[in-house]
Amino acid sequence: QQQVKQSPQSLIVQKGGISIINCAYENTAFDYFPWYQQFPGKGPALLIAIRPDVSEKKEGRFTISFNKSAKQFSLHIMDSQPGDSATYFCAAKSGGGADGLTFGKGTHLIIQP
Amino acid sequence: GAVVSQHPSRVICKSGTSVKIECRSLDFQATTMFWYRQFPKQSLMLMATSNEGSKATYEQGVEKDKFLINHASLTLSTLTVTSAHPEDSSFYICSAIRPRGGGEKLFFGSGTQLSVL
Repeated sequence: QQQVKQSPQSLIVQKGGISIINCAYENTAFDYFPWYQQFPGKGPALLIAIRPDVSEKKEGRFTISFNKSAKQFSLHIMDSQPGDSATYFCAAKSGGGADGLTFGKGTHLIIQP
Repeated sequence: GAVVSQHPSRVICKSGTSVKIECRSLDFQATTMFWYRQFPKQSLMLMATSNEGSKATYEQGVEKDKFLINHASLTLSTLTVTSAHPEDSSFYICSAIRPRGGGEKLFFGSGTQLSVL
């Protein structure tokens, strides 16, 4: 049973456009929702994260929107740049830190110049 | 800068040999670290949770005798792939929880690409 469903699998956006990646979860015990950015041959890097007590969080060009009732959250990348081309993973976890993350399957994002 | 250091970044070994991968938290103490495995163009799969001073907790389907985890100190966890075979070739990534005021954050190492010939 996949607990975190991520879409789309791949995405092509023009430079300057908005990239949107969506995730849905099933486990209502999840209380931490991070997004990671991964370049080929590198480990994932934490991009931005949100907890269920807020509906939106913005850091620079990156925004997380969170819909608790729908059990969905999304990443928006504003003014997308070629350097943003990477694989993005949403994830979720519950508890006080002892549990590992459950990852979505990833979205391969390509920003065209 | 990096908060979790993983070494080596790449290793090539012969079938039947053992390989050790180190994961260090650089500026914080990590009582819990995690080991993931990632196949090309796929997501990260949690293999085990490494707990300082106690036995690791393995996910279902992961052979604990094959993937030995030792978390001997608050800043170091090691993953040893014993008697490696070509099917063990993969990208292995560790992560650690860094406590922060108002919450915790998980940071990842840079990964180790293991190729077993």
